[in-house]
Amino acid sequence: QVQLVESGGGVVQPGRSLRLSCAASGFIFSTYGMHWVRQAPGKGLEWVAAIWHDGSYKHYADSVKGRFTISRDNSKNTVYLQMNSLRAEDSAVYYCAREPMHTYYFDYWGQGTLVTVSS
Amino acid sequence: QSVLTQPPSASGTPGQRVTISCSGSSSNIGSYTVNWYQQLPGTAPKLLIYSNDQRPSGVPDRFSGSKSGTSASLAISGLQSEDEADYYCAAWDDSLYGYVFGTGTKVTVL
Repeated sequence: QVQLVESGGGVVQPGRSLRLSCAASGFIFSTYGMHWVRQAPGKGLEWVAAIWHDGSYKHYADSVKGRFTISRDNSKNTVYLQMNSLRAEDSAVYYCAREPMHTYYFDYWGQGTLVTVSS
Repeated sequence: QSVLTQPPSASGTPGQRVTISCSGSSSNIGSYTVNWYQQLPGTAPKLLIYSNDQRPSGVPDRFSGSKSGTSASLAISGLQSEDEADYYCAAWDDSLYGYVFGTGTKVTVL
């Protein structure tokens, strides 16, 4: 069965960095686009970043552009989110999600990992 | 801030029909298909409707979606207590060149 398991969340001071990982299993990882979506406490969903199945294309929300980097290792079935220069407003549960290529929908989501940016 | 507007709440008694609207623009709903996600309390979102009106395997046919112009709707017929959740519409947006979610609607079963 399809599984997406995020890890790497925690408490970090403003201005510091954190790397999230999302380990995938149960499907051919290299044939799917992958995304990160976040949800601040008590708030709605916000799309963060996307990467094509082969890593050749990446795109970011304006709110994280220049600070966050999405990447993937198809040999390890894992997608990453490197988060630099973290701000308090980046505090959220971060979900990874799978996109069947070029369909613009997310058919499976992970359980999420909580990131708290606080001094 | 979300560019897709939904009512903050909706409610109904068991068995009733509830409809949730999602209003967008020509750069998102007007040009791309709409998807709906259900988020039960304390859990990750789940795909409920894709490509405007398609249900993934396992989603009850009580849930249906439609789209017209720059708006979309999600209908829940035969409302059940387990339908209490937050519901989000979503679509690609050409102007923002990103994926956008609706503001979310909390459905309460009275």
